[in-house]
Amino acid sequence: DIQMTQSPSSLSASIGDRVTITCQASQDISRNLCWYQQKPGQAPQLLIFDASYLKTGVPSRFSGSGSGTYYTFIISSLQPEDIATYFCQQYDNLPLVFGGGTTVEIK
Amino acid sequence: QVQLRESGPRLVKPSETLSLSCSVSGGSISSSANYWGWIRQAPGKGLEWIGSIYYNGRTYYNPSLKSRVTISGDTSKNQVSLKLNSVTAADTAVYYCARQEYSGAWDRLKWFDPWGQGALVTVSS
Repeated sequence: DIQMTQSPSSLSASIGDRVTITCQASQDISRNLCWYQQKPGQAPQLLIFDASYLKTGVPSRFSGSGSGTYYTFIISSLQPEDIATYFCQQYDNLPLVFGGGTTVEIK
Repeated sequence: QVQLRESGPRLVKPSETLSLSCSVSGGSISSSANYWGWIRQAPGKGLEWIGSIYYNGRTYYNPSLKSRVTISGDTSKNQVSLKLNSVTAADTAVYYCARQEYSGAWDRLKWFDPWGQGALVTVSS
């Protein structure tokens, strides 16, 4: 199985800060990676697919990049409504595997 | 737009079978463009893929759960169902169903979007 190591597990940042989350796969996943946002008490919502494509309607302050085994998710300017847990998921191989999650809090 | 809603017993006794249904509205489970998946999240924990089903009944399961899981579809009701047998307290979780993007050209199951609201199922005597 592919392992997805997501870091950090939590972070605290100020409004307007740039936030960076990473996911490292145990093998090349060829950009077959997406990112979800999960707000407290809610289901996850897709933000980015194929490593860097923003789902329609998702604010442009969210972005993704990466290749091979290393992927990055960025919030360019943190907003209060971005308080949530973020997960990556690889779909290069079965079983589908999620990263452990990153909880973003306001400093 | 597609909406999904999980239903079923929220309390299951140890060693018994967890059964959930997912009703889909605004879309058809008979679509060849999508799989329909189940994902769970133990309290305060991360996400675990359980398995996915295609309109023709083809299924894929997480090997970690495969021996205990059955996913089925009912096109007449536009529903997919999950059964997990021999449950223990470790199976206590929020269970989500979700539409899954599928690439026929690559035969690849991809991301989940949208998700249902989730159903918290507690395993306890």
